[in-house]
Amino acid sequence: EAGVAQSPRYKIIEKRQSVAFWCNPISGHATLYWYQQILGQGPKLLIQFQNNGVVDDSQLPKDRFSAERLKGVDSTLKIQPAKLEDSAVYLCASSLMGQEQYFGPGTRLTVT
Amino acid sequence: TQLLEQSPQFLSIQEGENLTVYCNSSSVFSSLQWYRQEPGEGPVLLVTVVTGGEVKKLKRLTFQFGDARKDSSLHITAAQPGDTGLYLCAGHLASYNQGGKLIFGQGTELSVKP
Repeated sequence: EAGVAQSPRYKIIEKRQSVAFWCNPISGHATLYWYQQILGQGPKLLIQFQNNGVVDDSQLPKDRFSAERLKGVDSTLKIQPAKLEDSAVYLCASSLMGQEQYFGPGTRLTVT
Repeated sequence: TQLLEQSPQFLSIQEGENLTVYCNSSSVFSSLQWYRQEPGEGPVLLVTVVTGGEVKKLKRLTFQFGDARKDSSLHITAAQPGDTGLYLCAGHLASYNQGGKLIFGQGTELSVKP
């Protein structure tokens, strides 16, 4: 069974630029999560989708971050404009029944 | 405010030593998970504990869920260099009933030297 796929793996941008990350969850997994993991910290949930609907986006900085999950499968997370403090690893995870989440390898973003 | 406090944050030991990592909270969790994360990879689930007082063993790793479901511990016996990594505890809030929201601790960075 293929795991959660993410791209790109690394991205370096300047502040005020925009960036987008892509996630392909495990086939059949209805729930998809985006996490932000800052160096030295645990992952923090940004947004959770159930199929193509948003379940929780309470910690998503909506003035600069947006996410969508078209057709309830793949998802994209966008940052526009980026700030220095957005430098982090962005993790995508998916789950079938909600309890066990499977994580992708993450995208390491560096904002200079 | 950190909902889940992990300690220690860093641990460097010699091969063969034992260690314990703690995960504490003032909140009650419906279940608690332990993950291991290697550099450049996403977290990988090691175990889920659900019942207060539950103990689970995974080879040399022993996981315990506190009686009140507010804390947990991970004990590694005879650590090996392959155990090196970031260990994360994560709890499902008892009051959250949609899709399994996880709250992560800040992690324990373990280094086992040969």
